[in-house]
Amino acid sequence: EVQLVESGGGLIQSGGSLRLSCGASGFTISNNYMSWVRQAPGKGLEWVSVIYSDSDTHYADSVKGRFTISRDKSKNTVYLQMNSLRAEDTAMYYCARVHRNSDGYTMFAFDIWGQGTMVTVSS
Amino acid sequence: QTVVTQEPSFSVSPGGTVTLTCGLSSGSVSTAYYPSWYQQTPGQAPRTLIYSTNTRSSGVPDRFSGSILGNKAALTITGAQADDESDYYCVLYMGSGISLFGGGTKLTVL
Repeated sequence: EVQLVESGGGLIQSGGSLRLSCGASGFTISNNYMSWVRQAPGKGLEWVSVIYSDSDTHYADSVKGRFTISRDKSKNTVYLQMNSLRAEDTAMYYCARVHRNSDGYTMFAFDIWGQGTMVTVSS
Repeated sequence: QTVVTQEPSFSVSPGGTVTLTCGLSSGSVSTAYYPSWYQQTPGQAPRTLIYSTNTRSSGVPDRFSGSILGNKAALTITGAQADDESDYYCVLYMGSGISLFGGGTKLTVL
Protein backbone atom coordinates (compact mmCIF):
# COMPACT_ATOMS: atom_id res chain seq x y z
CA GLU A 1 0.00 0.00 0.00
CA VAL A 2 1.26 3.46 -0.90
CA GLN A 3 1.46 5.41 2.33
CA LEU A 4 3.17 8.33 4.06
CA VAL A 5 3.54 8.55 7.82
CA GLU A 6 4.78 11.72 9.50
CA SER A 7 6.33 11.95 12.94
CA GLY A 8 8.41 14.29 15.05
CA GLY A 9 5.92 17.00 15.88
CA GLY A 10 5.44 18.37 19.36
CA LEU A 11 5.58 21.43 21.61
CA ILE A 12 8.70 23.55 21.25
CA GLN A 13 9.70 26.97 22.51
CA SER A 14 10.15 29.89 20.18
CA GLY A 15 13.66 29.91 18.75
CA GLY A 16 14.00 26.16 19.09
CA SER A 17 14.51 23.43 16.51
CA LEU A 18 12.57 20.34 15.50
CA ARG A 19 13.01 17.68 12.84
CA LEU A 20 9.99 16.14 11.19
CA SER A 21 10.14 12.77 9.46
CA CYS A 22 8.00 11.32 6.69
CA GLY A 23 8.33 7.60 6.13
CA ALA A 24 7.13 6.25 2.82
CA SER A 25 5.95 2.78 1.92
CA GLY A 26 4.82 1.30 -1.37
CA PHE A 27 7.04 3.54 -3.50
CA THR A 28 10.57 4.97 -3.59
CA ILE A 29 10.86 8.59 -2.49
CA SER A 30 14.01 9.27 -4.50
CA ASN A 31 12.09 8.58 -7.71
CA ASN A 32 9.57 11.27 -6.86
CA TYR A 33 9.37 14.90 -5.86
CA MET A 34 8.32 15.13 -2.21
CA SER A 35 6.80 18.14 -0.46
CA TRP A 36 5.83 19.47 2.92
CA VAL A 37 2.58 21.41 3.31
CA ARG A 38 1.35 22.99 6.53
CA GLN A 39 -1.91 24.24 7.95
CA ALA A 40 -2.12 26.62 10.89
CA PRO A 41 -5.10 26.03 13.21
CA GLY A 42 -8.27 27.25 11.53
CA LYS A 43 -6.36 28.46 8.46
CA GLY A 44 -5.75 27.31 4.92
CA LEU A 45 -3.07 25.09 3.46
CA GLU A 46 0.38 26.52 2.78
CA TRP A 47 3.07 24.93 0.63
CA VAL A 48 6.37 24.84 2.52
CA SER A 49 9.05 22.98 0.60
CA VAL A 50 9.88 20.43 -2.08
CA ILE A 51 12.80 18.12 -2.79
CA TYR A 52 13.23 16.92 -6.35
CA SER A 53 14.40 13.50 -7.42
CA ASP A 54 17.73 15.10 -8.41
CA SER A 55 17.99 16.51 -4.83
CA ASP A 56 17.26 20.09 -5.84
CA THR A 57 15.27 21.86 -3.11
CA HIS A 58 12.91 24.84 -2.95
CA TYR A 59 11.21 26.72 -0.13
CA ALA A 60 8.40 29.15 0.56
CA ASP A 61 9.68 32.62 1.43
CA SER A 62 8.18 32.26 4.91
CA VAL A 63 10.60 29.45 5.83
CA LYS A 64 13.60 30.06 3.57
CA GLY A 65 16.82 30.11 5.52
CA ARG A 66 15.22 28.45 8.56
CA PHE A 67 13.88 25.13 7.23
CA THR A 68 15.79 22.44 5.35
CA ILE A 69 14.25 19.53 3.46
CA SER A 70 16.28 16.38 2.95
CA ARG A 71 15.89 12.65 2.43
CA ASP A 72 17.52 9.37 3.35
CA LYS A 73 17.17 6.91 0.49
CA SER A 74 18.15 3.94 2.66
CA LYS A 75 15.28 4.69 5.03
CA ASN A 76 12.89 5.88 2.30
CA THR A 77 12.24 8.88 4.49
CA VAL A 78 11.96 12.62 3.92
CA TYR A 79 12.83 15.12 6.63
CA LEU A 80 12.08 18.72 7.44
CA GLN A 81 14.61 20.34 9.75
CA MET A 82 13.02 23.41 11.28
CA ASN A 83 15.26 25.94 13.04
CA SER A 84 14.58 29.33 14.62
CA LEU A 85 10.96 28.38 15.10
CA ARG A 86 8.38 31.11 15.55
CA ALA A 87 4.83 31.14 16.89
CA GLU A 88 3.56 31.51 13.32
CA ASP A 89 5.11 28.14 12.44
CA THR A 90 2.49 26.48 14.64
CA ALA A 91 0.64 24.16 12.28
CA MET A 92 -0.19 20.66 11.22
CA TYR A 93 2.58 19.58 8.87
CA TYR A 94 1.69 17.24 6.04
CA CYS A 95 4.06 15.30 3.86
CA ALA A 96 2.88 14.82 0.28
CA ARG A 97 4.10 13.09 -2.84
CA VAL A 98 4.15 15.08 -6.04
CA HIS A 99 2.29 13.23 -8.77
CA ARG A 100 3.99 11.87 -11.87
CA ASN A 101 1.91 10.71 -14.83
CA SER A 102 2.29 7.37 -16.56
CA ASP A 103 4.97 8.85 -18.83
CA GLY A 104 6.99 9.89 -15.80
CA TYR A 105 6.35 13.62 -16.13
CA THR A 106 5.80 15.59 -12.95
CA MET A 107 2.35 17.11 -12.75
CA PHE A 108 3.18 19.55 -9.91
CA ALA A 109 0.24 18.29 -7.89
CA PHE A 110 0.10 16.28 -4.70
CA ASP A 111 -1.34 12.79 -4.99
CA ILE A 112 -0.48 11.02 -1.74
CA TRP A 113 -0.80 12.70 1.65
CA GLY A 114 0.18 11.66 5.13
CA GLN A 115 -2.07 12.24 8.12
CA GLY A 116 0.11 15.03 9.43
CA THR A 117 2.11 15.82 12.55
CA MET A 118 1.32 18.81 14.77
CA VAL A 119 3.94 21.39 15.65
CA THR A 120 3.18 23.91 18.37
CA VAL A 121 5.62 26.75 18.99
CA SER A 122 5.13 28.50 22.29
CA SER A 123 6.19 32.10 22.71
CA GLN B 1 3.72 39.28 -4.26
CA THR B 2 1.41 37.03 -6.24
CA VAL B 3 -1.66 35.71 -4.46
CA VAL B 4 -3.86 32.82 -5.57
CA THR B 5 -7.48 33.83 -5.15
CA GLN B 6 -10.53 31.71 -4.35
CA GLU B 7 -14.06 32.54 -3.25
CA PRO B 8 -14.09 32.38 0.58
CA SER B 9 -17.44 30.63 0.60
CA PHE B 10 -20.08 29.22 -1.68
CA SER B 11 -23.35 27.39 -1.24
CA VAL B 12 -25.15 24.91 -3.44
CA SER B 13 -28.41 23.04 -3.18
CA PRO B 14 -28.38 19.25 -3.09
CA GLY B 15 -28.37 18.02 -6.67
CA GLY B 16 -27.25 21.38 -7.96
CA THR B 17 -24.13 22.45 -9.83
CA VAL B 18 -21.46 24.78 -8.51
CA THR B 19 -18.28 26.16 -10.04
CA LEU B 20 -15.43 27.26 -7.80
CA THR B 21 -12.65 29.36 -9.30
CA CYS B 22 -8.93 29.86 -8.78
CA GLY B 23 -7.33 33.04 -10.02
CA LEU B 24 -4.22 35.15 -9.71
CA SER B 25 -3.95 38.57 -8.12
CA SER B 26 -1.98 39.52 -11.20
CA GLY B 27 -2.35 37.76 -14.52
CA SER B 28 -4.31 34.86 -15.92
CA VAL B 29 -4.28 31.20 -14.99
CA SER B 30 -3.44 28.82 -17.82
CA THR B 31 -2.66 25.14 -18.09
CA ALA B 32 1.01 26.08 -17.69
CA TYR B 33 0.30 26.60 -14.00
CA TYR B 34 -0.74 22.92 -13.67
CA PRO B 35 -3.81 23.82 -11.60
CA SER B 36 -4.86 21.15 -9.11
CA TRP B 37 -7.73 20.88 -6.65
CA TYR B 38 -8.08 19.34 -3.19
CA GLN B 39 -10.97 18.62 -0.87
CA GLN B 40 -10.55 18.75 2.90
CA THR B 41 -12.99 18.02 5.69
CA PRO B 42 -12.26 19.11 9.27
CA GLY B 43 -9.60 17.07 11.00
CA GLN B 44 -8.65 15.19 7.85
CA ALA B 45 -5.77 15.34 5.44
CA PRO B 46 -6.53 16.82 2.03
CA ARG B 47 -7.81 14.58 -0.72
CA THR B 48 -6.64 15.13 -4.27
CA LEU B 49 -9.46 15.71 -6.76
CA ILE B 50 -8.00 17.15 -9.95
CA TYR B 51 -4.48 17.63 -11.30
CA SER B 52 -3.08 19.18 -14.46
CA THR B 53 -6.21 21.32 -14.92
CA ASN B 54 -8.72 18.59 -15.70
CA THR B 55 -7.44 15.09 -14.87
CA ARG B 56 -9.35 13.38 -12.09
CA SER B 57 -7.32 11.63 -9.45
CA SER B 58 -7.89 7.92 -8.99
CA GLY B 59 -11.27 7.14 -7.45
CA VAL B 60 -12.70 10.63 -7.84
CA PRO B 61 -16.24 10.53 -9.25
CA ASP B 62 -16.93 12.22 -12.56
CA ARG B 63 -19.21 14.69 -10.77
CA PHE B 64 -15.98 16.61 -10.22
CA SER B 65 -14.41 18.26 -13.24
CA GLY B 66 -11.70 20.82 -13.83
CA SER B 67 -11.25 23.40 -16.53
CA ILE B 68 -9.98 26.84 -17.44
CA LEU B 69 -12.79 29.39 -17.50
CA GLY B 70 -11.71 32.74 -18.82
CA ASN B 71 -8.61 33.72 -16.88
CA LYS B 72 -9.12 31.30 -13.99
CA ALA B 73 -8.98 27.61 -13.23
CA ALA B 74 -12.31 26.15 -12.25
CA LEU B 75 -13.67 23.19 -10.34
CA THR B 76 -17.22 22.21 -11.19
CA ILE B 77 -19.28 19.89 -9.02
CA THR B 78 -22.44 18.57 -10.64
CA GLY B 79 -25.18 16.81 -8.71
CA ALA B 80 -23.88 18.10 -5.37
CA GLN B 81 -24.25 15.76 -2.45
CA ALA B 82 -24.30 16.40 1.28
CA ASP B 83 -20.85 14.91 1.73
CA ASP B 84 -19.41 17.40 -0.78
CA GLU B 85 -19.67 19.96 2.02
CA SER B 86 -15.95 20.63 2.57
CA ASP B 87 -13.17 23.10 2.08
CA TYR B 88 -11.73 23.17 -1.43
CA TYR B 89 -8.24 24.36 -2.26
CA CYS B 90 -6.51 24.99 -5.53
CA VAL B 91 -2.76 24.92 -6.12
CA LEU B 92 -0.86 26.64 -8.90
CA TYR B 93 2.69 25.85 -9.89
CA MET B 94 4.46 29.21 -10.15
CA GLY B 95 7.71 27.92 -11.62
CA SER B 96 11.19 27.77 -10.09
CA GLY B 97 10.03 25.02 -7.77
CA ILE B 98 7.36 27.13 -6.06
CA SER B 99 3.75 26.09 -5.56
CA LEU B 100 1.06 28.33 -4.13
CA PHE B 101 -2.21 27.38 -2.47
CA GLY B 102 -5.31 29.47 -2.77
CA GLY B 103 -7.00 30.57 0.42
CA GLY B 104 -9.67 27.90 0.05
CA THR B 105 -13.42 27.91 -0.50
CA LYS B 106 -15.81 26.67 2.16
CA LEU B 107 -18.64 24.91 0.32
CA THR B 108 -21.98 24.52 2.02
CA VAL B 109 -24.59 22.12 0.65
CA LEU B 110 -28.05 23.20 1.77
